[in-house]
Amino acid sequence: DTAVSQTPKYLVTQMGNDKSIKCEQNLGHDTMYWYKQDSKKFLKIMFSYNNKELIINETVPNRFSPKSPDKAHLNLHINSLELGDSAVYFCASSRLGESSTDTQYFGPGTRLTVL
Amino acid sequence: RKEVEQDPGPFNVPEGATVAFNCTYSNSASQSFFWYRQDCRKEPKLLMSVYSSGNEDGRFTAQLNRASQYISLLIRDSKLSDSATYLCVVNPRGGGSNYKLTFGKGTLLTVNP
Repeated sequence: DTAVSQTPKYLVTQMGNDKSIKCEQNLGHDTMYWYKQDSKKFLKIMFSYNNKELIINETVPNRFSPKSPDKAHLNLHINSLELGDSAVYFCASSRLGESSTDTQYFGPGTRLTVL
Repeated sequence: RKEVEQDPGPFNVPEGATVAFNCTYSNSASQSFFWYRQDCRKEPKLLMSVYSSGNEDGRFTAQLNRASQYISLLIRDSKLSDSATYLCVVNPRGGGSNYKLTFGKGTLLTVNP
């Protein structure tokens, strides 16, 4: 069984379009995250949600809007796509208990190409 | 100074070699430390957590020096399957609702036959 899944795996679209990426985890975790990995392979956190509530927003443009319908899902909607949005987007989840050592489990990534 | 800095790499080593990666972090209040591994075009996966006392998992040894804000990973008897990018990861804020991970840029290791 896939622990953290994302769809689609590949997304190719034109500048200016709006697109969504979906993420689901079946680990029973409380917290989910979105990361962006750019062409230089640098992995940066964008958002994190705990029990459907936003807890971290790392100065991401307003064109990016995460939505968490329940704690097992965290979708990412992107408006007015730009060339610089081309990257691999990873969803992740963790238990988030009292400990700061909770492991994050990553989805397989969505490779977004904006033309 | 960047939050997490790693050896630039890449490292090319023969099978059986011992290789060490280093990492420094800027926030002295950082709470937890990890090494993740990322294969080409795949997602990052936890390799091991790093504890103050140092810890070992088979051929892998991780060490933490809080005074120097320095983390290391040692791989002994390298295998071809160890070829990957190794990411140094730090949680700069602690537990609870401020939990987040900061990733280094990674060091690419290629183990050659």
